[in-house]
Amino acid sequence: DTGVSQDPRHKITKRGQNVTFRCDPISEHNRLYWYRQTLGQGPEFLTYFQNEAQLEKSRLLSDRFSAERPKGSFSTLEIQRTEQGDSAMYLCASSPVSQTGADYGYTFGSGTRLTVV
Amino acid sequence: AQSVSQHNHHVILSEAASLELGCNYSYGGTVNLFWYVQYPGQHLQLLLKYFSGDPLVKGIKGFEAEFIKSKFSFNLRKPSVQWSDTAEYFCAVMSWGGSQGNLIFGKGTKLSVKP
Repeated sequence: DTGVSQDPRHKITKRGQNVTFRCDPISEHNRLYWYRQTLGQGPEFLTYFQNEAQLEKSRLLSDRFSAERPKGSFSTLEIQRTEQGDSAMYLCASSPVSQTGADYGYTFGSGTRLTVV
Repeated sequence: AQSVSQHNHHVILSEAASLELGCNYSYGGTVNLFWYVQYPGQHLQLLLKYFSGDPLVKGIKGFEAEFIKSKFSFNLRKPSVQWSDTAEYFCAVMSWGGSQGNLIFGKGTKLSVKP
């Protein structure tokens, strides 16, 4: 499978615990994105990387959230001290970047569904 | 700030009916426009996209969308829907100026097709 892979698919955690999700993008894609999707809503942008550089972070990304892409390949998203409001589907996507800097659509992974109890 | 509005939250059609899902965006500059589809239990998939040129773009599975710049719209159409089109459809916009890493999605329209 050469698509975007996310692990785990499901995560149930107790409030206050830390969780970490992993995303493996398509290998030749240098951009990687994290989104969050709650019921009845479209995906909401969290952050993105171009290679290993984190270029933008949404205001949704509180200081309890941190994302890394240390070698410009896979990425991790960590949520510290989870709250019930963090329950959502966390989506990862990747895309190539043209010479003009415009993206050509994202390829999404299947997501990690987080439930905080 | 950019935003995307999808007019219908839930659309119910019978097979062979025609489909049009509305999408409007707010951004005055050059935009890239997308429609994504999410079938039950599956991940988001790109249905079609518009960058430039012919404002009528054709995507997979018989879907098409028309970009009308004066109306800031990018409506999705299909002449005859099938039961297998039951899914949630998301319109999304990306601007060329400012943030180039931020694809903004609408809230989605759930399509239910009755056999």
